[in-house]
Amino acid sequence: QKEVEQNSGPLSVPEGAIASLNCTYSDRGSQSFFWYRQYSGKSPELIMFIYSNGDKEDGRFTAQLNKASQYVSLLIRDSQPSDSATYLCAVNTAAGGGNKLTFGTGTQLKVEL
Amino acid sequence: DGGITQSPKYLFRKEGQNVTLSCEQNLNHDAMYWYRQDPGQGLRLIYYSQIVNDFQKGDIAEGYSVSREKKESFPLTVTSAQKNPTAFYLCASTAGAGGNEQYFGPGTRLTVT
Repeated sequence: QKEVEQNSGPLSVPEGAIASLNCTYSDRGSQSFFWYRQYSGKSPELIMFIYSNGDKEDGRFTAQLNKASQYVSLLIRDSQPSDSATYLCAVNTAAGGGNKLTFGTGTQLKVEL
Repeated sequence: DGGITQSPKYLFRKEGQNVTLSCEQNLNHDAMYWYRQDPGQGLRLIYYSQIVNDFQKGDIAEGYSVSREKKESFPLTVTSAQKNPTAFYLCASTAGAGGNEQYFGPGTRLTVT
């Protein structure tokens, strides 16, 4: 079982819709959770992080964390073509120590006009 | 402007040659990391350093070496022992104690033929 799992996609949504990206993790001791956006050929950009159960909102982005079910999700409201990218989920696992992150393989999002 | 710089953006080498990738940050961050990314795969940790003059192996350290003589700099050497060196190399940093958020440089795309 992979430590951090994401559906590779592509996930296609129409412009203006809500995009929902999901991530599950295996280490119950995980404390910190991150979402990165990566455009093709570019480096990952941190867009959200969440440490506590529940929702965290920042503009059009909402991160949701459920530690009991070991999943974290990212909602993008009013999706725009510029949101088309690969979204990487990263988890700071207890086994890793320090500030090491384990990354999922990413979900490709396509926002269609 | 504060940030992380990596140079060069593209690097081409012949098989059997060692090559050093540069990573510099002026964010006053304590911890620095090196990852590689291959097509369709998540980021894999090569080496990390939490303080000057100290570094630890990540998940795929074989064939790589690093140094951390200054807080701002964390160069990565890809040696001839690395069997599949062609990849996208990403450097990241984090504030360290109490700060888990990792920020990435623009990356170096290395091609070895």
